[in-house]
Amino acid sequence: EAGVAQSPRYKIIEKRQSVAFWCNPISGHATLYWYQQILGQGPKLLIQFQNNGVVDDSQLPKDRFSAERLKGVDSTLKIQPAKLEDSAVYLCASTLQREGNYEQYFGPGTRLTVT
Amino acid sequence: AQRVTQPEKLLSVFKGAPVELKCNYSYSGSPELFWYVQYSRQRLQLLLRHISRESIKGFTADLNKGETSFHLKKPFAQEEDSAMYYCALLAGRRALTFGSGTRLQVQP
Repeated sequence: EAGVAQSPRYKIIEKRQSVAFWCNPISGHATLYWYQQILGQGPKLLIQFQNNGVVDDSQLPKDRFSAERLKGVDSTLKIQPAKLEDSAVYLCASTLQREGNYEQYFGPGTRLTVT
Repeated sequence: AQRVTQPEKLLSVFKGAPVELKCNYSYSGSPELFWYVQYSRQRLQLLLRHISRESIKGFTADLNKGETSFHLKKPFAQEEDSAMYYCALLAGRRALTFGSGTRLQVQP
């Protein structure tokens, strides 16, 4: 099966600019996650969707970050305006969440550098 | 809130030596624990989960609820095991809480 797709793979922007990332999960996976991974740290959840509804966005900095999954398939994550501390790898993951199988499949990530 | 701690940032061993990557967690309920691995230039992928009680690529991990640990072990390290290893906990709303990771370096 095709894996989780993300684009772009790399992005360099200046602070105060805006940026958007795209994710296409594995077909049929109802649950989609966005994680932020800062250098030297493990991934940290930003937002979790179940179909097109938000399950958990408690760690999303809502003053600058937004995410949507309008048709319950692909998703976009936006940062506006970006700060230096937003430099990180943004990972998208999806899972089937059926019959106790919660294995998350990860995309390759988007490496964001804010200068 | 749950927390996962991996105390070692880097573990360097020689080929054929035993490996133990440490993971401790804190969570008030019954967690599901996982080990994820990221090889160079590859995406993060599941290595093993505690409920499966299986050995993958020679690695095993036992959940010790008394010590709240889920250490990853392999009796004889191979060079191809060199990678970044993350311990993760699944609880509540079904999003993973990750440790900070341990880089395993297996020298020839």
